[in-house]
Amino acid sequence: DAGITQSPRHKVTETGTPVTLRCHQTENHRYMYWYRQDPGHGLRLIHYSYGVKDTDKGEVSDGYSVSRSKTEDFLLTLESATSSQTSVYFCAISDSADSNYGYTFGSGTRLTVV
Amino acid sequence: AQKITQTQPGMFVQEKEAVTLDCTYDTSDPSYGLFWYKQPSSGEMIFLIYQGSYDQQNATEGRYSLNFQKARKSANLVISASQLGDSAMYFCAMRGVTGFQKLVFGTGTRLLVSP
Repeated sequence: DAGITQSPRHKVTETGTPVTLRCHQTENHRYMYWYRQDPGHGLRLIHYSYGVKDTDKGEVSDGYSVSRSKTEDFLLTLESATSSQTSVYFCAISDSADSNYGYTFGSGTRLTVV
Repeated sequence: AQKITQTQPGMFVQEKEAVTLDCTYDTSDPSYGLFWYKQPSSGEMIFLIYQGSYDQQNATEGRYSLNFQKARKSANLVISASQLGDSAMYFCAMRGVTGFQKLVFGTGTRLLVSP
């Protein structure tokens, strides 16, 4: 009954290959986010979406692209995976842009680029 | 730009004791929200507590309280009566009213609770 699911949960891929991570929500929330988590850096924003087909870059967007063709799905694509993109990726959702609303997070995807 | 600083990479506490996890922030936004999340070893991000910048009282949620000192720009998390299950990574985060109100995180503090 999770309102937000990420797939796959784990993935190992080779350098230079494209990879797509999927975030699916059943909460009908407008705002969706992709973060990456690395030791010593906390969570850093990659891209976010404020509606269908409306996306923008975060602080670490190089090498990543996103798409949102439906409210419920937000895809993160690594166009040509590099070892520096080995990380844990979190999707998050929010139903408001107000500063007093936090996010709900997915369970994360652990990506290893070899 | 908004920034969150957590200066304690790791903290140790004995079971049943209280512990304070430090968080300072920097923002020029007139209004903002401060959040704490817990990440246990299983990896999920669990929301713990929220403090609004205009809230007069410090937020509390069960054993969690947020020691909010606006003039010092600090939002420390206090966990009372620590339990073994409190061992986890803790992240402080803030969300302002500019920059599309994105949640900005600190680097986290790993808490270890010993018996």
